[in-house]
Amino acid sequence: EADIYQTPRYLVIGTGKKITLECSQTMGHDKMYWYQQDPGMELHLIHYSYGVNSTEKGDLSSESTVSRIRTEHFPLTLESARPSHTSQYLCASSPTGGGHGYTFGSGTRLTVV
Amino acid sequence: QQQVKQSPQSLIVQKGGIPIINCAYENTAFDYFPWYQQFPGKGPALLIAIRPDVSEKKEGRFTISFNKSAKQFSLHIMDSQPGDSATYFCAARSGGSNYKLTFGKGTLLTVNP
Repeated sequence: EADIYQTPRYLVIGTGKKITLECSQTMGHDKMYWYQQDPGMELHLIHYSYGVNSTEKGDLSSESTVSRIRTEHFPLTLESARPSHTSQYLCASSPTGGGHGYTFGSGTRLTVV
Repeated sequence: QQQVKQSPQSLIVQKGGIPIINCAYENTAFDYFPWYQQFPGKGPALLIAIRPDVSEKKEGRFTISFNKSAKQFSLHIMDSQPGDSATYFCAARSGGSNYKLTFGKGTLLTVNP
């Protein structure tokens, strides 16, 4: 059972709204990641963090922002949602030293109408 | 840019068949090669992993074959079952302090009854 939680699981929201996708992990992992995954399957890294107060942009440009104020919490925010933001957003974490790779949450399916 | 190339993009086999998914990489600094399995509506989950000093690893019906000189590795699923139908991602981990994973683009496997 993965100890990384994402809420909400599904979100349908109107264009222009501000949204925050929540991600929390109880494993004490210092590294956390956000991926965007479209129906074409490929995982695109959009943000990552190697610890508190550390955030970096990933390989895929995203209009979203992230924060890492606490080790266990890594929320993703869209200031003004657009239909192009419709996608699945996956959060993951990994421990210091790499361990056994990443643990993923179940994702948030975002639809912007 | 570090890349992991995965093929095929999709694969259909009959129950009992042995699907094979292949991955190739360029960066010889990769030190850990996990495979992830993702069911619809879920996040990817670690399935099996191998280190480059080992040529083969088996866990139940799942086997990784690793060819260090060719910089290739593959996943074999013995006696495949309809419940194995999922998307499979190979990945490779950078060494050093960040242990970042680079993912392949995924393979959608369908096992027909």
